[in-house]
Amino acid sequence: GQQVMQIPQYQHVQEGEDFTTYCNSSTTLSNIQWYKQRPGGHPVFLIQLVKSGEVKKQKRLTFQFGEAKKNSSLHITATQTTDVGTYFCAPLSNTGNQFYFGTGTSLTVIP
Amino acid sequence: DAMVIQNPRYQVTQFGKPVTLSCSQTLNHNVMYWYQQKSSQAPKLLFHYYDKDFNNEADTPDNFQSRRPNTSFCFLDIRSPGLGDAAMYLCATSRQLGDTQYFGPGTRLTVL
Repeated sequence: GQQVMQIPQYQHVQEGEDFTTYCNSSTTLSNIQWYKQRPGGHPVFLIQLVKSGEVKKQKRLTFQFGEAKKNSSLHITATQTTDVGTYFCAPLSNTGNQFYFGTGTSLTVIP
Repeated sequence: DAMVIQNPRYQVTQFGKPVTLSCSQTLNHNVMYWYQQKSSQAPKLLFHYYDKDFNNEADTPDNFQSRRPNTSFCFLDIRSPGLGDAAMYLCATSRQLGDTQYFGPGTRLTVL
């Protein structure tokens, strides 16, 4: 299946700092989901983006879908220790049948 | 509460000894997925069922099989586990293809 790259692979921030992870594809994506996986846990759905240029907010989390629908980002404002985990983007396949997880960004928040 | 349940949570098997992992759901979702996740890697889709239709990923080894006897249950059979098959196995469901996926807690497989 297709795979998209996420950068950075790892990020350490001080509590209160902002954090951004980027998801980049070489092909146009129809839509994309984002998941969070806590250490030792399972992926949990965060959001789905469908429209070009779409921006959605969930409290301190802001999700964007690029105008060309080839990239997406997740921005967390003023990180907290509860934000620790790995964030995965998951674009929908060309067949529209399944989502494939990106490489993930592991976030560590230092208190 | 409606949920996705995986049993067992931890499974130890011997090299070459067949093992079956179980997943059940109370969400009445049409689609069930099996993922393999190795340490510090992204979940890798092995296959999925849409109702009774089985869809295998092209790079899923033949060693991995799946059964879905009814809407609620789905099984992952590993016919001859190798050391490289040690991983977390995640089951997920979605109402329809392309919908939000709900994951179970996973089964961690150890191969001795």
